[in-house]
This record gives sequence, structure tokens and C-alpha cells, in this order.
Amino acid sequence: SQQGEEDPQALSIQEGENATMNCSYKTSINNLQWYRQNSGRGLVHLILIRSNEREKHSGRLRVTLDTSKKSSSLLITASRAADTASYFCATDLDRGSTLGRLYFGRGTQLTVWP
Amino acid sequence: EAQVTQNPRYLITVTGKKLTVTCSQNMNHEYMSWYRQDPGLGLRQIYYSMNVEVTDKGDVPEGYKVSRKEKRNFPLILESPSPNQTSLYFCASSAGWSRANYGYTFGSGTRLTVV
Repeated sequence: SQQGEEDPQALSIQEGENATMNCSYKTSINNLQWYRQNSGRGLVHLILIRSNEREKHSGRLRVTLDTSKKSSSLLITASRAADTASYFCATDLDRGSTLGRLYFGRGTQLTVWP
Repeated sequence: EAQVTQNPRYLITVTGKKLTVTCSQNMNHEYMSWYRQDPGLGLRQIYYSMNVEVTDKGDVPEGYKVSRKEKRNFPLILESPSPNQTSLYFCASSAGWSRANYGYTFGSGTRLTVV
């Protein structure tokens, strides 16, 4: 199935540092979304970037999208221990037959040490 | 509070004993979907529904059934559970108009163990 793939699989940093996660996907998209999941809990929507957008900000989050490279990045600035979680990118594909479907990657496990 | 509610949160059952995991949303969303999450495999879509009485298979539908008789409810049915269906299950919903702007709202998950 079509999926985003996050990189790295795991990231470990100190509080105050920035965390960057990347996502690559295979086909044209309608939008790309980032979600956060605390261990064993439900996913929480963080930010959505449309295919015609290149950058988006929300608080300490910055998302970029490069449709020519089929890639996106999520930057968390000034990270905190509470940011420790798994982060997933999800692609909403640009095809009528996939309406209502969202394809997830395997996620990046971020650990922020105090 | 706008939310997606799944029940139960935890369930241990035996092979072959039919079970239903319920999902309900209070946001009048048209789209609803079921995912399963397994270590190393990420989230995979089981079934989705674009509106009442409209459902379709996702990537891993084998062994599951769904129904959408009302807009707010989208139960997941395992007619004859097997151990390979042991997983963490999530229900999600979205409105057509908000899907392109606000993404999906997820439930808290149901951890199912089939022995």
C-alpha cells in the first residue's frame, strides 16, 4: 500500500535541542499530516500541510513539504521531555478512489532527556 | 467535548468467540475508519466508511466486518477471532469539509488479545 516512511526510526536528544523528523512518500498527495502518539494511546493530529503549501507553523512545530522530492519534515524547536512520543506522517492521496483513506508510516520514536 | 469513543479499552478473548468493538463519534462526521497498529508495521487500515451504509475495505480487511447503520456509530466485528488479530485497534473520524484542513480525530484505542 502507499505509505509515508519516516526517518529516523528513533531519535534521542536533550531538552532544549531541536528535533527533526523526515517523511518520504511515493505518489502525489492531497495533503500530508503529522500525528503524535504517546505510548499506547490514541493519535493526536498535530498539523496538516496541503500539496500547494511549502511551509507551515504551529507553535514550536514547523512542517515543510517538497512535492518535487515527495518529502516532508517536522521540526520541533526547543524540545521538552513532554515531547517524548512517536510521531507519524500520514498521506491523504490525490485520487478519488482513495477518498476517506489515510496512509501512515511506521513512525519516529522521539525521546527527549531532561 | 468533541470525541471518538471506543469500547472496550482492553479485551482478552478466546479464539473463535465473536466480539464487537464499538466506536461512536459526536461530531456528525461522515468519514469513519478502523486501523490496527502492530509493532514494526505502523497503522494499517482495516475498513472505512464514507457515510451511512457506505463501507469499503482497507488494506487488511480479512477476518473483520463493519457496519454503518447510523452516522455516529461504526462497530468493528470479529466473527471468529484468531491470535493473529491480537493488536491495538483505533477508530478515527473526519468530516468531509474539515478533512482537508483538520485531519482525523482518533479514539483512545482498544487493546485486543486473542488467546
